[in-house]
Amino acid sequence: GAVVSQHPSWVICKSGTSVKIECRSLDFQATTMFWYRQFPKQSLMLMATSNEGSKATYEQGVEKDKFLINHASLTLSTLTVTSAHPEDSSFYICSARSGAIYEQYFGPGTRLTVT
Amino acid sequence: AQSVTQLGSHVSVSEGALVLLRCNYSSSVPPYLFWYVQYPNQGLQLLLKYTTGATLVKGINGFEAEFKKSETSFHLTKPSAHMSDAAEYFCAVSSAPFGNEKLTFGTGTRLTIIP
Repeated sequence: GAVVSQHPSWVICKSGTSVKIECRSLDFQATTMFWYRQFPKQSLMLMATSNEGSKATYEQGVEKDKFLINHASLTLSTLTVTSAHPEDSSFYICSARSGAIYEQYFGPGTRLTVT
Repeated sequence: AQSVTQLGSHVSVSEGALVLLRCNYSSSVPPYLFWYVQYPNQGLQLLLKYTTGATLVKGINGFEAEFKKSETSFHLTKPSAHMSDAAEYFCAVSSAPFGNEKLTFGTGTRLTIIP
């Protein structure tokens, strides 16, 4: 149980284009989803927290107009990187939790390469 | 505010030897503590967690950790290393449900197993 999937697992896009990453909870309802960014050989940095049906809460320094997060249902959250640039290349990982269970279940990650 | 310090970005042990990965935390409220493992190009897998109760926590793959409040530590150990243990390990802290549910990660420790 508690499986989180991400799609795509790897994406290459050209500079200036937008790319959407999906995060799905497969066997539970995710009231809260989290988006992290991980640079090579570094730790995970929280980008934003989203609750189903509400606007996402972004961490300090994260551009909300560049990283659009939508959590429209209890099983799906999306992260759209708009007008991507090479410096946005990174490993993006989502996690999800359900209700009062204070444990986050992590997705397998999406590697974004912007050329 | 909360933070995590992992001593040693790289640890190498011989196969069959004791594994000890160090984690110290800082939290203004009683912490929830976690150890995650990450294999290359994959998301995070929970090894074990401490919330309340018994301070010695046993996890998957033979790992265990002990919460020591007086030392603000949560070190991860395994009596006998296996080649499959080679991975990146992250310690994390959360203040939920006493405060912020966000996970704050340490910088990670890369574990190498010497045959």
